[in-house]
Amino acid sequence: QVQLQESGPGLVKPSQTLSLTCTVSGGSISSGSHYWSWMRQPAGKGLEWIGRFYGSGNTDYNPSLRSRVTISVDTSKTQFSLRLTSVTAADTAVYYCATNAADGAYFYYAMDVWGQGTTVTVSS
Amino acid sequence: DIQMTQSPSSLSVSIGDRVTITCRASQSIGSYLNWYQQKPGKAPKLLMYAVSSLQNGVPSRFSGSGSGTDFTLTISSLQSEDFATYYCQHGYSAPFTFGPGTKVQIK
Repeated sequence: QVQLQESGPGLVKPSQTLSLTCTVSGGSISSGSHYWSWMRQPAGKGLEWIGRFYGSGNTDYNPSLRSRVTISVDTSKTQFSLRLTSVTAADTAVYYCATNAADGAYFYYAMDVWGQGTTVTVSS
Repeated sequence: DIQMTQSPSSLSVSIGDRVTITCRASQSIGSYLNWYQQKPGKAPKLLMYAVSSLQNGVPSRFSGSGSGTDFTLTISSLQSEDFATYYCQHGYSAPFTFGPGTKVQIK
């Protein structure tokens, strides 16, 4: 059973770069049948899709964040990462990594495995 | 980009009530519609994908219907563990937006 765990700094200064890692256990990050995705959720608000990594280096990003975001996979460490540059207070949120474990979920891009989430605050 | 809307934004219901939540896409998304349940302080949980395919372990009181642009999530008889916020999400094309959520509260 695939499990995910986010990690990274809980506090980032404005204009700096937010870097988070999602560690994958119980499955292969090299499998071509997974999307490795990031979402975020400001306190008291809804979910925002950030982007995904899939296949042998393909990525899709939310256009609202595209100029600042990078999602990458490190197969040797069974981790995938989120990098968000030039952060502001508006980037303060709980950040979730997620993937799909079931074939049906993959085809319809439904995320059936989530990390517990990590809170990132942007403040000086 | 495809925009997702949900109605109502919140509703107050009693145990045993039938609950219907509506999700609408700004353009046709075929059957690429998924539903999630989120409880306070927890990650979202996938309930249903492809409009009406129940995720493993999800009770059969949950059902989904619709196609194209209009979709519904129905809880046939609300249980105490169902009080939560529900989000729809489309899987049609990037960006894969979520609806704003529907909070189901105790009356």
